[in-house]
Amino acid sequence: AQSVTQLGSHVSVSEGALVLLRCNYSSSVPPYLFWYVQYPNQGLQLLLKYTTGATLVKGINGFEAEFKKSETSFHLTKPSAHMSDAAEYFCAVSESGGNQFYFGTGTSLTVIP
Amino acid sequence: DGGITQSPKYLFRKEGQNVTLSCEQNLNHDAMYWYRQDPGQGLRLIYYSQIVNDFQKGDIAEGYSVSREKKESFPLTVTSAQKNPTAFYLCASRSPGGNTIYFGEGSWLTVV
Repeated sequence: AQSVTQLGSHVSVSEGALVLLRCNYSSSVPPYLFWYVQYPNQGLQLLLKYTTGATLVKGINGFEAEFKKSETSFHLTKPSAHMSDAAEYFCAVSESGGNQFYFGTGTSLTVIP
Repeated sequence: DGGITQSPKYLFRKEGQNVTLSCEQNLNHDAMYWYRQDPGQGLRLIYYSQIVNDFQKGDIAEGYSVSREKKESFPLTVTSAQKNPTAFYLCASRSPGGNTIYFGEGSWLTVV
């Protein structure tokens, strides 16, 4: 069985500060890992994903995440927060070749001017 | 433009009524999904379909029904048996052999 845990349902950072959103997963097989962003009243937009290869993946809007197998983690980071980064962020996991995707409960990011 | 279209964006239902949410995609994707989103609970899978005329229950299928008569369409019916249907509903699809799902803009359903 697969599952995702996002630590911290709400995170606040100052504009220009580092953004760190945490995600840990459990999977009995090599996972595919994803980060999605959701703005109010909208669907989810893919930020980045890890499937195979390089463990540090870069996404849109300056975000990146690193797959750490030993820690079963896939934390999302951005060096400098912007006001437009305020949104809900979801981490997700699926099996390679699998049909189902499992989502965390989300982290709401607030950026303080 | 290619994408996933959900309609209506906002829907109000009286208690005891069935309502149907539409999901159409022109991405030529085989697999389609319906998720329910409630505050603080993330996304929960209702149903998914890998091919036409085939679908499987997800974690919270009770009170919902789907059909997949065409590759492009995967409507979700919220029946009167669903006791707490007020939520944000998200449709998604995945390309053949693909490893990523893409979402529509969502539909709000409110029971009045």
